[in-house]
Amino acid sequence: IQLTQSPSFLSASVGDRVAITCRASQGISSYLAWYQQKPGKAPKVLIYDASTLQTGVPSRFSGSGSGTEFTLTISSLQPEDFATYYCQQLSSYPITFGGGTKVEI
Amino acid sequence: EVQVVESGGGLVQPGGSLRLSCAASGFTFSSYAMSWVRQAPGKGLEWVSGISGGGSSTYYADSVKGRFTIVRDNSRDTLYLQMNSLSAEDTAVYYCAKNSWIAVAPIYVPSDYWGQGTLVTVSS
Repeated sequence: IQLTQSPSFLSASVGDRVAITCRASQGISSYLAWYQQKPGKAPKVLIYDASTLQTGVPSRFSGSGSGTEFTLTISSLQPEDFATYYCQQLSSYPITFGGGTKVEI
Repeated sequence: EVQVVESGGGLVQPGGSLRLSCAASGFTFSSYAMSWVRQAPGKGLEWVSGISGGGSSTYYADSVKGRFTIVRDNSRDTLYLQMNSLSAEDTAVYYCAKNSWIAVAPIYVPSDYWGQGTLVTVSS
């Protein structure tokens, strides 16, 4: 299953509302997770089951969608949110990731 | 405190082999499926392989099937990735990752704890 993220690159300012889209090449129900990765660090899970917030993740992050189209939304971008975001499908093997979206100032 | 720590990376010649290790602590290792994920320099994430908690079921990306083998030693709380017939395309940081909750296999379940990664460089 291929995952296509858009945009690949996003320029935004602190306080902006941003949305990242992930499209699956076939239906994956709600078996989608979102990760944040900062340079030189391991990924960190933000959202799983498409819309469930991982414990400890700020509520400004939210996820929506099912089937083939999903969205990660950051309601008010904070300085620590500048990073690369990846979606991951967990519906079938092989598990796959989207190409990533880099969020920069 | 949950920890997973990878080791075993390094420089290897094309066609060579390497075994990565992932030492786990702070959780009941045998209850959790585990995965290996890699990231080539400047590139995105690629899931490589996964294994059930008991070790009887294994799963691979098409790019490594037949060359890589994932195994675990639950008596030592350690996960391994045996990599054979390596090529330049296998150059990457390799991460070990733990399933977020107890399940039979890595499917359906995200990874909540990741190691710091170990760099594998395939070059002559």
